[in-house]
Amino acid sequence: NAGVMQNPRHLVRRRGQEARLRCSPMKGHSHVYWYRQLPEEGLKFMVYLQKENIIDESGMPKERFSAEFPKEGPSILRIQQVVRGDSAAYFCASSPTEGQPQHFGDGTRLSIL
Amino acid sequence: GQNIDQPTEMTATEGAIVQINCTYQTSGFNGLFWYQQHAGEAPTFLSYNVLDGLEEKGRFSSFLSRSKGYSYLLLKELQMKDSASYLCAVSPGGGADGLTFGKGTHLIIQP
Repeated sequence: NAGVMQNPRHLVRRRGQEARLRCSPMKGHSHVYWYRQLPEEGLKFMVYLQKENIIDESGMPKERFSAEFPKEGPSILRIQQVVRGDSAAYFCASSPTEGQPQHFGDGTRLSIL
Repeated sequence: GQNIDQPTEMTATEGAIVQINCTYQTSGFNGLFWYQQHAGEAPTFLSYNVLDGLEEKGRFSSFLSRSKGYSYLLLKELQMKDSASYLCAVSPGGGADGLTFGKGTHLIIQP
């Protein structure tokens, strides 16, 4: 499968724990985007990264959330000290260059107990 | 600011044609994208427009008018499997490549 790979598909955490979500872009894609989708809501942009660089993080909450896309390995979205409101589906997308269609992974469903 | 509007829900009949409209007001524009999303699944890319006019892709076509801030997605020969949410999204460009999405149009296909 050469598509965008996200893991885990489902993640359960207790309040105060950390959540790490992983995303491997499609082969040949160097642009990665993270989105959050709350129930009955539209997709909301969070952050846009290229290898080792954050290009646009205007959609990221100022606290507890961080993202990286290291030279080697997948992109990671990290949520520290999770709260119930963080429960959502988190989607990763990738594209070969800016302005090109973004292709989405299957998402990680995060549930906070 | 960024604002994208599309109808919340539409109903159509199997075999018919349906048009889903989208209007947008964004600070920049570098393309408009349409995605299909079945419940609990990932959005799937359908079509995109950068210039004014119609883009045709099999049973799906998308139209753009940049001066009017308007697009539509046209689905022909509707099938039951086309029941899904259809998402309109705009790329603002200028280095800010994250898509701004509308809330989606839930399309129900009836036999």
